[in-house]
Amino acid sequence: SQTIHQWPATLVQPVGSPLSLECTVEGTSNPNLYWYRQAAGRGLQLLFYSVGIGQISSEVPQNLSASRPQDRQFILSSKKLLLSDSGFYLCARGTVHGYTFGSGTRLTVV
Amino acid sequence: KQEVTQIPAALSVPEGENLVLNCSFTDSAIYNLQWFRQDPGKGLTSLLLIQSSQREQTSGRLNASLDKSSGRSTLYIAASQPGDSATYLCAVEEADRGSTLGRLYFGRGTQLTVWP
Repeated sequence: SQTIHQWPATLVQPVGSPLSLECTVEGTSNPNLYWYRQAAGRGLQLLFYSVGIGQISSEVPQNLSASRPQDRQFILSSKKLLLSDSGFYLCARGTVHGYTFGSGTRLTVV
Repeated sequence: KQEVTQIPAALSVPEGENLVLNCSFTDSAIYNLQWFRQDPGKGLTSLLLIQSSQREQTSGRLNASLDKSSGRSTLYIAASQPGDSATYLCAVEEADRGSTLGRLYFGRGTQLTVWP
């Protein structure tokens, strides 16, 4: 199974509050993991990727950070949310057989 | 940097029509190309994956072709149904350049509506 679990499904947070989105994956060990964001009217943007525990690479400068404390766990965080952080956040794993995506978290910052 | 374009942005057709969705990319050095479907408010569901050495893949009523040299892919949907209504996304994975990771570059998608 290549199932990806994301939670929560929906989140409404005030500006300045912290954020923690969790992604866990099933299947083979040492997966390549990714966080993407889909903002309204825009395409999918790669935020972070990880090839192993503790290994995080950031694609764009932003208000967010990511961590990988366990092989199959990928966490997206923020200390203080901005209005511009609103969007649909998707976790994904990539293999030679293509990418699999989770069901996403809809984040609205108010 | 790889740029992916999808045409048309939106398409509305009656049930039963055969459809062609287009995807173009600027850098032909790709590892593979993947077509996804996204229903409103949902994640992405993989439809077809074409490796760079392949020319096409088929799954049921779906057929995807790849012409890497010209930077084009098409997704053909036969005998469309209302249940096919969704946004279809094309994504290319950059070729491995010495790392274990290839990035996915997405188009903006084609929003398809099939009406009964």
